[in-house]
Amino acid sequence: SQTIHQWPATLVQPVGSPLSLECTVEGTSNPNLYWYRQAAGRGLQLLFYSVGIGQISSEVPQNLSASRPQDRQFILSSKKLLLSDSGFYLCAWNPETERGAFFGQGTRLTVV
Amino acid sequence: EDQVTQSPEALRLQEGESSSLNCSYTVSGLRGLFWYRQDPGKGPEFLFTLYSAGEEKEKERLKATLTKKESFLHITAPKPEDSATYLCAVQVWGGAQKLVFGQGTRLTINP
Repeated sequence: SQTIHQWPATLVQPVGSPLSLECTVEGTSNPNLYWYRQAAGRGLQLLFYSVGIGQISSEVPQNLSASRPQDRQFILSSKKLLLSDSGFYLCAWNPETERGAFFGQGTRLTVV
Repeated sequence: EDQVTQSPEALRLQEGESSSLNCSYTVSGLRGLFWYRQDPGKGPEFLFTLYSAGEEKEKERLKATLTKKESFLHITAPKPEDSATYLCAVQVWGGAQKLVFGQGTRLTINP
C-alpha cells in the first residue's frame, strides 16, 4: 500500500535560519507531489508541485524553494526564514484515484 | 481564476442538531470536487469526491451533494466526534491535478 512520510512534526526556528522539510512517498512511482501551507484557521494554499524528478512549479512567489532529487522525495527549503514563513506545511501526492490527494501528517513550523 | 468559498467559517451545534455546510466554487472546468475532514494538528482525511451536478455521496452521518455552482455537506444527528474542520477543494482539468481549497468550516458539536 502507498504511504507518505513527512518530518519533522514540529519545528521552531529563529528568523534568518535555513529550513529543510522532507517528504517521501512509498508504494508508487512517478507520483505528482505537492507542498501546501496552511495558516492558522485557514485553508490550504498550494506552494509548489512536481510532476517528475527535477521538475518544480511554483504557485506563489515567496521565500521558499522546492526540489525533487529522487522520484519519491520532495524537499521544501529556505535559505533564510522570515516570521511570515510560520505555518502548517503539508506534503501530498496524487494517486490519480477519486481521493484527489493523500496528505502527510504535516509540519508545524514556528519562526521566532 | 479558480475559486472556492466555504461558509460558515465556524459552526457550533448541539449533539443531534442537523445542519449543512456550504462550498461555492468558480472554476474553468470541474474535474472533481472533494470534501476532507481535518483534525487539529493533522493532515486532511478524504471523505468524498463528487464529479457531476446531481451526484450525492453518503457516509455514516455525512451526505455530500453537488450542483453546478456549489456543494453541500449535510450532517445528520451529529455527535461530538464529528467536531473537526471540513475542507472543500476543487480539481480542474489539466494543471497536474492540483487542488484549490476553500478556507474550511470549523465545526464544533457540543454534547
